[in-house]
Amino acid sequence: DAKTTQPNSMESNEEEPVHLPCNHSTISGTDYIHWYRQLPSQGPEYVIHGLTSNVNNRMASLAIAEDRKSSTLILHRATLRDAAVYYCILRDAPGRQGNLIFGKGTKLSVKP
Amino acid sequence: DARVTQTPRDKVTEMGQEVTMRCQPILGHNTVFWYRQTMMQGLELLAYFRNRAPLDDSGMPKDRFSAEMPDATLATLKIQPSEPRDSAVYFCASGLESNSGLPREQYFGPGTRLTVT
Repeated sequence: DAKTTQPNSMESNEEEPVHLPCNHSTISGTDYIHWYRQLPSQGPEYVIHGLTSNVNNRMASLAIAEDRKSSTLILHRATLRDAAVYYCILRDAPGRQGNLIFGKGTKLSVKP
Repeated sequence: DARVTQTPRDKVTEMGQEVTMRCQPILGHNTVFWYRQTMMQGLELLAYFRNRAPLDDSGMPKDRFSAEMPDATLATLKIQPSEPRDSAVYFCASGLESNSGLPREQYFGPGTRLTVT
């Protein structure tokens, strides 16, 4: 079972920032926090991952709480193309859990 | 860009027929995953290979499903005989993992939409 809790849905306006929350209160010290998204009629797509420090890449930023019990995926300027289901997933190191365990995710709608 | 490819993209078949889905992982990747997605169950793992060896196929109905990697460039998922409840989108993903095992990202294919009537 997924060990994360996310809101079922969120709405955003185009060109505004979006903060997608994820709670993982039972996270262990070796769990990495991964985010994937799934656009309509496509396979899931890797977005970002982190362990303790905040992370940035070309797609998004990941803010991790100091106690690591929650994290937030930040899309700095939402576009219509960002409308997707976003999954927050915990993955263990050193890779004992190779597969991804998907929960229900957050369905993000972006309004023009 | 390197991509995972899957064939066929769509398959409609009758109950009882054999179905074979194929996946070409990204060159150089050493792990391959098969996932199934339905509205009711969401995304769930069926099988997982590392260096072509099956590591986990506990998510597969063993009596009708089989997954293989004949070589490093091809993974197959077969259903025989197919049933209407097998209707779903089947995704293949590949990744690169080492024994020291920092979890790395997985790259998903576009999926095969299977309809069993």
